[in-house]
Amino acid sequence: SQKIEQNSEALNIQEGKTATLTCNYTNYSPAYLQWYRQDPGRGPVFLLLIRENEKEKRKERLKVTFDTTLKQSLFHITASQPADSATYLCALVTSGGSYIPTFGRGTSLIVHP
Amino acid sequence: GAGVSQTPSNKVTEKGKYVELRCDPISGHTALYWYRQSLGQGPEFLIYFQGTGAADDSGLPNDRFFAVRPEGSVSTLKIQRTERGDSAVYLCASSFGNSGMDTQYFGPGTRLTVL
Repeated sequence: SQKIEQNSEALNIQEGKTATLTCNYTNYSPAYLQWYRQDPGRGPVFLLLIRENEKEKRKERLKVTFDTTLKQSLFHITASQPADSATYLCALVTSGGSYIPTFGRGTSLIVHP
Repeated sequence: GAGVSQTPSNKVTEKGKYVELRCDPISGHTALYWYRQSLGQGPEFLIYFQGTGAADDSGLPNDRFFAVRPEGSVSTLKIQRTERGDSAVYLCASSFGNSGMDTQYFGPGTRLTVL
């Protein structure tokens, strides 16, 4: 069966460190992989998209890697700040259909001052 | 400009009742999506509109759920004979197109509680 796995345990890190979140998937052939941020009581906010033929994407303090052999994406936040505390969701988009993202359950990140 | 808005923000209803949830997308966005999010889970796709027509309704759990977008802008998600298992946050999103590369902009959601 198809699965998207994100660590259900919260990630606690100290301010200034790099946060690394993991998204693993099975039985998908995604054309794109997206990362979103979600704050409590709010809808998800799109952060980054990476295509299947891209290895890495960067945006300011954010970096996403995509390994289609390992079926894994890593999401990094460098020089983390308490304001980065939120839940981060990965989503897979497969081609040939309606391009509807399928979301993982998200991982909570807590950055301590 | 204004983002995606959803009303009401909270809805409490009794089992068996009918509810309507409204979504106002970003002006000019042709694609509109409804998702449902349960506590501790990611959003789960329900239905996608391209213009006025439902392009993909494969996520609707059963025939108690129905959605419309009559003029290609505002959409209403309708749930008949609500059940306690329908309790969740219902999220709406819109995008300019639906290429897979188009960014989806989400509203704040409607928290539905069925007693």
